[in-house]
Amino acid sequence: AQSVTQLGSHVSVSEGALVLLRCNYSSSVPPYLFWYVQYPNQGLQLLLKYTTGATLVKGINGFEAEFKKSETSFHLTKPSAHMSDAAEYFCAALSGGYNKLIFGAGTRLAVHP
Amino acid sequence: GAVVSQHPSRVICKSGTSVKIECRSLDFQATTMFWYRQFPKKSLMLMATSNEGSKATYEQGVEKDKFLINHASLTLSTLTVTSAHPEDSSFYICSARVQPDTNYGYTFGSGTRLTVV
Repeated sequence: AQSVTQLGSHVSVSEGALVLLRCNYSSSVPPYLFWYVQYPNQGLQLLLKYTTGATLVKGINGFEAEFKKSETSFHLTKPSAHMSDAAEYFCAALSGGYNKLIFGAGTRLAVHP
Repeated sequence: GAVVSQHPSRVICKSGTSVKIECRSLDFQATTMFWYRQFPKKSLMLMATSNEGSKATYEQGVEKDKFLINHASLTLSTLTVTSAHPEDSSFYICSARVQPDTNYGYTFGSGTRLTVV
């Protein structure tokens, strides 16, 4: 069965520092991969997704992620954190032939001055 | 862009009553919608997949008689929590896959905070 692992349930960075949120997937077939952000008491907003083509994907709010098949990873990065980036981030995967997203456990990002 | 509207955003109900949550696709037709449950500080757990005009497909361990799903039109799916109990208190989120698949992918509602007292 496919699974998504997010290393680190909590990540804390200083404003202006690099943000790195880790995501690994387990699948014999490279899945479609997604990163979502969730603010308190709200639904999920798509940051970016990888389906095919370029392995470095740029998303909204300055985030980007790189699909690395050899490492089965899809880590999310942002060069400079902003206070407004504080939220919960979810990595998700969708395998070909399946019709539902499998979510990782989530990573709570805190940004301090 | 593809928008899913979910209502209500918050609801408090008495134990033993039923609560209906609506999920509407505003500018696209959603043949398939998904219902998730999120526990505090936890990830999203898929409850069921709702298909327009047919019965929903429930995930293992989800009580289909307690969580009734109806997807009667291409733009509306509803989740009814029947005979609610305090342990049903949770954050419920719906989602729809935008067809044909575009950069939007899956779009999510804003969620419903259910509190059963």
